[in-house]
Amino acid sequence: KAGVTQTPRYLIKTRGQQVTLSCSPISGHRSVSWYQQTPGQGLQFLFEYFSETQRNKGNFPGRFSGRQFSNSRSEMNVSTLELGDSALYLCASSLIQGTYEQYFGPGTRLTVT
Amino acid sequence: KQEVTQIPAALSVPEGENLVLNCSFTDSAIYNLQWFRQDPGKGLTSLLLIQSSQREQTSGRLNASLDKSSGRSTLYIAASQPGDSATYLCAVGTTSGTYKYIFGTGTRLKVLA
Repeated sequence: KAGVTQTPRYLIKTRGQQVTLSCSPISGHRSVSWYQQTPGQGLQFLFEYFSETQRNKGNFPGRFSGRQFSNSRSEMNVSTLELGDSALYLCASSLIQGTYEQYFGPGTRLTVT
Repeated sequence: KQEVTQIPAALSVPEGENLVLNCSFTDSAIYNLQWFRQDPGKGLTSLLLIQSSQREQTSGRLNASLDKSSGRSTLYIAASQPGDSATYLCAVGTTSGTYKYIFGTGTRLKVLA
């Protein structure tokens, strides 16, 4: 069974631009969560989607948004990029019952210049 | 508000040593706890998942224990090897509101040959 995939793996953007990151969960997993990882703040929860609905949201500004499609694939969007948005963005998928074990993708490294 | 702490932040040991990594959390009302390994610039690899009703889980040279009443989990690595060098993260699954993971800041482990 294929793991969680994220595209692109690396991205360089300029301040003020917007960016869209994509995540394909493990087949059969309907929950997708997004995390931001930085050296200073560690791993922080952005939001979780299930059945195309945002179920949970972390403490991030409205510039960070996401969506989930009917095939469970998810995208996150960051508008008006700031230097501080440079980070590794990780997505995780899980079943929505049982252990809730999370499986992570390789991440997208975003650099904002 | 759930807070997760990992001590020590960094650890350097000679090959062959048995070692213990610690994870503390402030709210004992957890659903599960998951230990991950992260290699530099990569995603997270799941090591062990402990449900709230369990006391420990084992996989090969790894053993994780959970004591909800004291808000602690430990990851025991037996006979450490240079290939174990990585950052180890614990994540607490909480169902207050809807389900989400709160991550610790990690322990950076270096095993010297």
